Amino acid sequence: GAGVSQSPSNKVTEKGKDVELRCDPISGHTALYWYRQSLGQGLEFLIYFQGNSAPDKSGLPSDRFSAERTGGSVSTLTIQRTQQEDSAVYLCASSLRGLARSYEQYFGPGTRLTVT
Amino acid sequence: RKEVEQDPGPFNVPEGATVAFNCTYSNSASQSFFWYRQDCRKEPKLLMSVYSSGNEDGRFTAQLNRASQYISLLIRDSKLSDSATYLCGAMTTDSWGKLQFGAGTQVVVTP
Repeated sequence: GAGVSQSPSNKVTEKGKDVELRCDPISGHTALYWYRQSLGQGLEFLIYFQGNSAPDKSGLPSDRFSAERTGGSVSTLTIQRTQQEDSAVYLCASSLRGLARSYEQYFGPGTRLTVT
Repeated sequence: RKEVEQDPGPFNVPEGATVAFNCTYSNSASQSFFWYRQDCRKEPKLLMSVYSSGNEDGRFTAQLNRASQYISLLIRDSKLSDSATYLCGAMTTDSWGKLQFGAGTQVVVTP
């Protein structure tokens, strides 16, 4: 079946502009996660949605970052007033909660954000 | 100190040899562990989940040592296609779903 999809695959923006990154999780997966990965670094957790529960926003690096998930499916990560240090690959993952082995996260191809 | 740490490598391995590397974690509440492989400029792909003492899938074996707080990944009969960065992720009982990742271990399998 279809995996996690993300759009756009690449985004170049000028410093100070706002950007929106989109994630479509695997159909039926109730949990959705956003991470970012800077060059040569591991994955940094940003935010986690599980069903109708309040999201875990503990990883968001500043109040310029926000995310929403509509209808329990598609999610949008918004970065306002982008800075050069926001340049990274933003990865979305989803998992199927509630069943055995349900914490396994499957990643989308990522959005490569470059802030000039 | 990071919650999850990995030797960045690279581990240079002759084709057909065995390679093993560790991932250490500092949070004793870490309960479940995941190994991912990541190819250059690609997304991480799930390799193996570890919910108890270990797991084995073909040439890949993961072993968890809770007393020393590390998990290892062993690759037997290495193939050229095993060249990648291997990421370790740990999940704690107080934050189910949220993975803390190490920075990854690079493995290079040479002919």
